[in-house]
Amino acid sequence: GAVVSQHPSWVICKSGTSVKIECRSLDFQATTMFWYRQFPKQSLMLMATSNEGSKATYEQGVEKDKFLINHASLTLSTLTVTSAHPEDSSFYICSARLRTGVGQPQHFGDGTRLSIL
Amino acid sequence: DAKTTQPTSMDCAEGRAANLPCNHSTISGNEYVYWYRQIHSQGPQYIIHGLKNNETNEMASLIITEDRKSSTLILPHATLRDTAVYYCIVRVSPRRNRDDKIIFGKGTRLHILP
Repeated sequence: GAVVSQHPSWVICKSGTSVKIECRSLDFQATTMFWYRQFPKQSLMLMATSNEGSKATYEQGVEKDKFLINHASLTLSTLTVTSAHPEDSSFYICSARLRTGVGQPQHFGDGTRLSIL
Repeated sequence: DAKTTQPTSMDCAEGRAANLPCNHSTISGNEYVYWYRQIHSQGPQYIIHGLKNNETNEMASLIITEDRKSSTLILPHATLRDTAVYYCIVRVSPRRNRDDKIIFGKGTRLHILP
């Protein structure tokens, strides 16, 4: 079945640094990928929709200059958390779906646990 | 997309069938019902989806009522590994709507008891 891979699985870094998270669709092409954030004991919250070859669409309240998204190819989207601070510590998850086919589901990566010290 | 309502939590004995209900009374004709689950510290896992007919795959069965206002996910022989949060989501087929983002509710926390 369709596989979405995220890298890294977890990262710890100092406050003020920037962190890049990669999301790859391994066996299919994805025109659209999605980025979510999840805090402990809460549900997933959609941050932005990443479209190949165009600008990402951000949800209300998500700072586009803080969370930079690049979707340069049909198999790769990246999320960069710029100048990260402790409040950015969270579980970040991406998803993607096949380009064609009626009713195709989204497939999710295993997430990246980000801890900012 | 139509809203869904699910119980907050459920328990099920290991080896028994787990039946997870979902209400989606405002569903429209072109909206599919999708089920995902999230095991602790992992990304959500797709389980099954359907439009109006009942569906079955290697993981589960999906029963959709005739009026499509509710559905039930059935895990036929629950194991401890099925302990997770289960999300019922209703959305338009992405072929008709490019903006097919998923908005997650709180889901049902299913505990499989040994």
